Amino acid sequence: GAVVSQHPSRVICKSGTSVKIECRSLDFQATTMFWYRQFPKKSLMLMATSNEGSKATYEQGVEKDKFLINHASLTLSTLTVTSAHPEDSSFYICSASRGGSTGELFFGEGSRLTVL
Amino acid sequence: EDKVVQSPLSLVVHEGDTVTLNCSYEVTNFRSLLWYKQEKKAPTFLFMLTSSGIEKKSGRLSSILDKKELFSILNITATQTGDSAIYLCAVESYSGGGADGLTFGKGTHLIIQP
Repeated sequence: GAVVSQHPSRVICKSGTSVKIECRSLDFQATTMFWYRQFPKKSLMLMATSNEGSKATYEQGVEKDKFLINHASLTLSTLTVTSAHPEDSSFYICSASRGGSTGELFFGEGSRLTVL
Repeated sequence: EDKVVQSPLSLVVHEGDTVTLNCSYEVTNFRSLLWYKQEKKAPTFLFMLTSSGIEKKSGRLSSILDKKELFSILNITATQTGDSAIYLCAVESYSGGGADGLTFGKGTHLIIQP
């Protein structure tokens, strides 16, 4: 149980286009979803926290107009990279929480974005 | 389908004890195994392991990978209450164009009691 799926796993796009990445909790309702970006030395940076039905909370330094996050239902959150540039190329990962006090998170498989 | 299994799922020990956390995996096109400490805003990177038998060490934490038996362990010696966290194991796989997949285990919830 507690599976989180991301789609697409890889995407290549031209500079200036927008790309949408989906994060779905397949067998549970996720009250909160998180979006991360992985950097070359494997560190994960939290970009934003997304709660169903409300606006996402962005971390300092993350442009909310560039990285649009929508959490329209308890099983789906989307990250849209708008007007993508080569420096946006990265590995984006989502995680989902069922709630509760343990802080347990379930991670997606990640999405590799390459902007040409 | 790639799979990462961590054990135990939870562990409660007393301060000063030594703990060993386990991570076994089944992935195609293994690239590396990563350990993270999940706390606060994002998992904190601990180690990346790519070669068997070479121990990586950072202070009281150490980790080693066995690519033949497909597992890794994370050791924490002289545990402190600040070590309480969820420890995540993740495996990177690739399809030739760079790391393309990251599969996380469910984590081990470690609680250190004073």
